[in-house]
Amino acid sequence: EVQLVESGGAVVQPGGSLRLSCAASGFTFDDYAMHWVRQAPGKGLEWVSLISWDGGTTYYAASWKGRFTISRDNSKNSLYLQMNSLRPEDTALYYCAKEFYFGSGTYYTFDYWGQGTLVTVSS
Amino acid sequence: QSALTQPPSASGSPGQSVTISCTGTSSDVGGYNYVSWYQQHPGKAPKLMIYEVTKRPSGVPDRFSGSKSGNTASLTVSGLQAEDEADYYCSSYAGSNNSGVFGTGTKVTVL
Repeated sequence: EVQLVESGGAVVQPGGSLRLSCAASGFTFDDYAMHWVRQAPGKGLEWVSLISWDGGTTYYAASWKGRFTISRDNSKNSLYLQMNSLRPEDTALYYCAKEFYFGSGTYYTFDYWGQGTLVTVSS
Repeated sequence: QSALTQPPSASGSPGQSVTISCTGTSSDVGGYNYVSWYQQHPGKAPKLMIYEVTKRPSGVPDRFSGSKSGNTASLTVSGLQAEDEADYYCSSYAGSNNSGVFGTGTKVTVL
């Protein structure tokens, strides 16, 4: 059974940093690209970032490019999101999601999702 | 990358059909056959319902179907059931921007 378990969410002050983690199990982690998707309270889904199966390629939505860094450790079956210079508008539930397509095919189709980790940016 | 446009709400009685539209541009929905749909119940993670415009993952009832014409994709739920009441989001690959984009979301109510 595929499982994605996010952690690291917290209450942080504006300008602060946070590192989110996602522990994956139930599939061959290094065969798939992974994503972070977020959902602000009462709002819709927003794609944040993608990392390729080998970590060699990363993409970001324009809103977060330069402040967020996605990474992965295939030896630990783990995905990360380093978030810097946090703003109140970054308050959201952050989901990690598995890419549907195997290997280098990345077409932003998400077949498994974690339950999310809540980031609250507030003074 | 602007969000894809969905109607805020849709509704139907049990047994009826409801269709949700998802309008983008030639850079996303119209340019690629990588449109997917997600169902999200309150407090739950999204669930993949449709991928590649028309395909259903294993376990998704055939009451759910997808289509596309030009820059607009659609999700139809036939034979509405109470458990279909949820938020639905479309998503599309936007290859030229190396990104993905979600729709604004539609709340489906079963009357």
